[in-house]
Amino acid sequence: GENVEQHPSTLSVQEGDSAVIKCTYSDSASNYFPWYKQELGKRPQLIIDIRSNVGEKKDQRIAVTLNKTAKHFSLHITETQPEDSAVYFCAADYNYGQNFVFGPGTRLSVLP
Amino acid sequence: DSGVTQTPKHLITATGQRVTLRCSPRSGDLSVYWYQQSLDQGLQFLIQYYNGEERAKGNILERFSAQQFPDLHSELNLSSLELGDSALYFCASSVGAAAVDTQYFGPGTRLTVL
Repeated sequence: GENVEQHPSTLSVQEGDSAVIKCTYSDSASNYFPWYKQELGKRPQLIIDIRSNVGEKKDQRIAVTLNKTAKHFSLHITETQPEDSAVYFCAADYNYGQNFVFGPGTRLSVLP
Repeated sequence: DSGVTQTPKHLITATGQRVTLRCSPRSGDLSVYWYQQSLDQGLQFLIQYYNGEERAKGNILERFSAQQFPDLHSELNLSSLELGDSALYFCASSVGAAAVDTQYFGPGTRLTVL
């Protein structure tokens, strides 16, 4: 089955700096890569996703890049703000889109 | 608010007991997913139902079972509960059956087994 690794497990940045979280996956047939943000005690919420026919996607301060050859994708957050502090999960589909698996998460802390 | 509802919000029970968690998907969504999130752990996929039928199975224990009813709400049954079953249980719904369909998560049910 699919295996998704995520690094780093924790990340602290100063407010205004950029944050980058990287994920690798094992199933070369994976085509869909969403990112979820989970604030403390709350539900995971989709913040951005990318499909394999696209190399990069941007939404305001958030961007995701995908390298299918290397089987990795990354989340980039620019001009970080304290409200960006949360756990971020990447995920990848597998079994030809039948399902998907989450990475273990990255706890991002934005320091004022 | 995602439109997905889960009840109850909190559940405290004892080892060996059985509980039922309920999930109502967003209007129009046919798929329901169940996830378990233990303390400081990631999201473990348990099971998916689509339009009343089981579609995919993840790391679901034999003591756990689920079903989706004709009105599309779903229930997750946890039996012979153990201390290690204490976790947040999320359900999510999506319009279709494929992984590429965006999943919207409910607020979760926090289960504490004493």
